[in-house]
Amino acid sequence: QKEVEQDPGPLSVPEGAIVSLNCTYSNSAFQYFMWYRQYSRKGPELLMYTYSSGNKEDGRFTAQVDKSSKYISLFIRDSQPSDSATYLCAMSLGTDSWGKLQFGAGTQVVVTP
Amino acid sequence: GAVVSQHPSRVICKSGTSVKIECRSLDFQATTMFWYRQFPKQSLMLMATSNEGSKATYEQGVEKDKFLINHASLTLSTLTVTSAHPEDSSFYICSARASGRSYNEQFFGPGTRLTVL
Repeated sequence: QKEVEQDPGPLSVPEGAIVSLNCTYSNSAFQYFMWYRQYSRKGPELLMYTYSSGNKEDGRFTAQVDKSSKYISLFIRDSQPSDSATYLCAMSLGTDSWGKLQFGAGTQVVVTP
Repeated sequence: GAVVSQHPSRVICKSGTSVKIECRSLDFQATTMFWYRQFPKQSLMLMATSNEGSKATYEQGVEKDKFLINHASLTLSTLTVTSAHPEDSSFYICSARASGRSYNEQFFGPGTRLTVL
């Protein structure tokens, strides 16, 4: 069993719709949770960073962490074609928030005009 | 700020040759750099953690004699794939972690596509 599970998609949505992404994980020691966006043949860029359980909002993006269920989510409101990319969840242990990151497989998102 | 570059962006080589990939932090000093490998439609897999001035720490299953890592300065780390074979073809991505910042996230480079013929 992988430590971090993420549906690879692809997930296709019409422009303006809400994109809902999620990951599940098995290691309860994970304390820091991140979402990255990766365009084709590019490195990942950080979108959201949260610590422990709770919600965090930044513009059109909302990240949720439910540690009791070992489940994290990312919502993208008013999706745009430019949001088409692969979204990767990542997480790290509490001992070092930006140390070794464990990534999900990434979900490919396609926003159609 | 916080820009990480990689060179080359793409390399094609013959089986048995060695390939060097550079990772540079352009506008900050990175005490730690990480090297990842990503196969198509798969996640980033950490290969090794590199600290400036010391030996790299390799993840389980990664051959340290095959993937040589040098982190000689606070802005440069290199990954050398020695005696590359077709199964080494992959997307190699580095990340750099800034020192002295209160929010010391990893910043990722754009990646290097290695194709071994």
